[in-house]
Amino acid sequence: DIQLTQSPSFLSASVGDRVTLTCRASQDISTFLAWYQQRSGAAPKLLIYSGSTLQSGVPSRFSGTVSGTEFTLTISSLQPEDFATYYCQYLSSFPPWTFGQGTKVDIK
Amino acid sequence: DVQLVESGGGLVQPGGSLRLSCAASGFNLSGYTMNWVRQAPGEGLEWVAHISSSSSRTLHYADSTKGRFTISRDNAKNSLFLQMNSLTTEDTALYYCARGRPENYFDSWGQGTLVTVSS
Repeated sequence: DIQLTQSPSFLSASVGDRVTLTCRASQDISTFLAWYQQRSGAAPKLLIYSGSTLQSGVPSRFSGTVSGTEFTLTISSLQPEDFATYYCQYLSSFPPWTFGQGTKVDIK
Repeated sequence: DVQLVESGGGLVQPGGSLRLSCAASGFNLSGYTMNWVRQAPGEGLEWVAHISSSSSRTLHYADSTKGRFTISRDNAKNSLFLQMNSLTTEDTALYYCARGRPENYFDSWGQGTLVTVSS
């Protein structure tokens, strides 16, 4: 099975910071990756799919890029509501639909 | 608006059973793949089970739940279900239902229902 490794596990940042989160796949998965945001006590929310496509309604400060097996989620200017845990997910054609272990973005 | 509301969670003893429900509104559940995803306390997300749209009715399960859990749907009630048998303490988690898209990402999630397996 494909393994996803997110880094860092924890990140402390300030409002207005540019933040970059990484998800590395153990094999080439093309652009078959999604990103989710989970605020404390809430359900996950889809941010990006197919590596770089922004889900409808998601602010444009979120963006996704792909380089080989490395996927990046960038928040251009961190807002108070962006403090949350972020998960990547491999969008395989067949199960299991694996998630990364998550990156928690905390207030510095 | 798309809405998913889970119910049926609770406290159950090891070896027991529980049936979770997910009521959908704002869309026709029969036209979508649906999934159950769980999150143990303080842990990450784990995909649990998948049912394809009504036309093919393909079922898939995580290895950790295969043979114990059964996913099903009632299109007339616009609802999704998860029958969980032979529960262990490792099944303790918040269980979410999530709508799937053809590319297999999950675009809508419920608020979750908590399952606690404990003696």
